[in-house]
Amino acid sequence: QVQLQESGPGLVKPSETLSLTCTVSGGSTNSYYWSWIRQPPGKGLEWIGYIYYTGSTNYNPSLKSRVTISVDTSKSQFSLKLSSVTAADTAVYYCARGPLSSSYYSFDFWGQGTLVTASS
Amino acid sequence: DIQMTQSPSSLSASVGDRVTITCRASQSIATYLNWYQQKPGKAPKLLIYGASSLQSGVPSRFSGSGSGTDFTLTISSLQPEDFATYYCQRSYNTPYTFGQGTKLEIK
Repeated sequence: QVQLQESGPGLVKPSETLSLTCTVSGGSTNSYYWSWIRQPPGKGLEWIGYIYYTGSTNYNPSLKSRVTISVDTSKSQFSLKLSSVTAADTAVYYCARGPLSSSYYSFDFWGQGTLVTASS
Repeated sequence: DIQMTQSPSSLSASVGDRVTITCRASQSIATYLNWYQQKPGKAPKLLIYGASSLQSGVPSRFSGSGSGTDFTLTISSLQPEDFATYYCQRSYNTPYTFGQGTKLEIK
């Protein structure tokens, strides 16, 4: 069973960079796409972007200028950096496996999520 | 971008009821529509992909249908563990977007 676990600071100051890592266990990062998805408190889900194990990426245009996703297959990890954060970036951040081309580009395994608050 | 509109935004129902949630796309997305269930404090769980395919391990009381612009998620007989928020997700192209959610509450 694939498991994902997010890690990183829960508090980030405005204008600074949010950094999170997702560690994958029970399976390899190879041959899959891996995504970051966030959810502001009490609100809906927003897809941030994905990375393929080869390193190719695709970002949501609404965040593209501030987002970097990277992968380290040797460690079975992928990471998110979001620069110049504001209070609007306060959210639970999820890492997920997908989009899966075999399942209509869905997300089948998710991390438990980590709350990141942008505040001074 | 293709917009997704879910309805209703909230719904009260009783155990044993049959419930239908609707998701509408602003333009055709064929069957590139997925459904998730989210319980408070938990990550979303994939229920249905490709509009009508049941994800492995998901109870058969959940079903999905539709194509083009109109889609439905049906729970044939509500169980206590089904009270949660449900989201549709369009996956026709990026950026992938989710509906605003339907909160299913106990009547």
